Amino acid sequence: EVQLVESGGGLVQPGRSLRLSCTTSGFTFGDYAMSWFRQAPGKGLEWVGFIRTKAYGGTTEYAASVKGRFTISRDDSKSIAYLQMNSLKTEDTAVYYCSRLLIVVVTADIWGQGTMVTVSS
Amino acid sequence: QSALTQPASVSGSPGQSITISCTGTSSDVGGYSYVSWYQQHPGKAPKLMISDVSNRPSGVSNRFSGSKSGNTASLTISGLQAEDEADYYCSSYTSSSTLVFGGGTKLTVL
Repeated sequence: EVQLVESGGGLVQPGRSLRLSCTTSGFTFGDYAMSWFRQAPGKGLEWVGFIRTKAYGGTTEYAASVKGRFTISRDDSKSIAYLQMNSLKTEDTAVYYCSRLLIVVVTADIWGQGTMVTVSS
Repeated sequence: QSALTQPASVSGSPGQSITISCTGTSSDVGGYSYVSWYQQHPGKAPKLMISDVSNRPSGVSNRFSGSKSGNTASLTISGLQAEDEADYYCSSYTSSSTLVFGGGTKLTVL
């Protein structure tokens, strides 16, 4: 069974950093791009960014709202994707989801259950 | 990149059909066949319902179908059932190599 489990969320002060992990199982992690999304309380879904496979250079793309502050990385040996969030702002408060991304059709086919990040003083 | 435009809400009675629209531009919806639709029940993670405009993943009911004309994509749900009541989001790949979502549509089954 394909599973994605996010962890690392919590309460953090504005300006601080936090790293989220997305631990996966049930598929060949290195064959898939991975993406992060978020959803602020009571709001809609927002794409955060994605990372391609090593075969495609492991390059990344980000939403304008997080570019320069957030970094996505991957450890294929552990089947884990990461979201490093720096210079956090109150508007980054959201549930963060990771997903497996079918890069050919740019579709998130499997999602984790999400982890809550609250940025507040 | 501006969000795609969806109606805030739609409703229908059990057994009826409804259609949710998703309007973008030639830089996203109109320029690529990479439109997806997601269903989200309250407190749950999103679930993929339609990929690349009209493809239904294994396990998704054939009551769900997708289409696209110009800069507007559509999700149609036929034979409405109570469990279809949820929020629905469209997304599209863009010319900037990014993804963009619609604001979401709340479906109410009367």
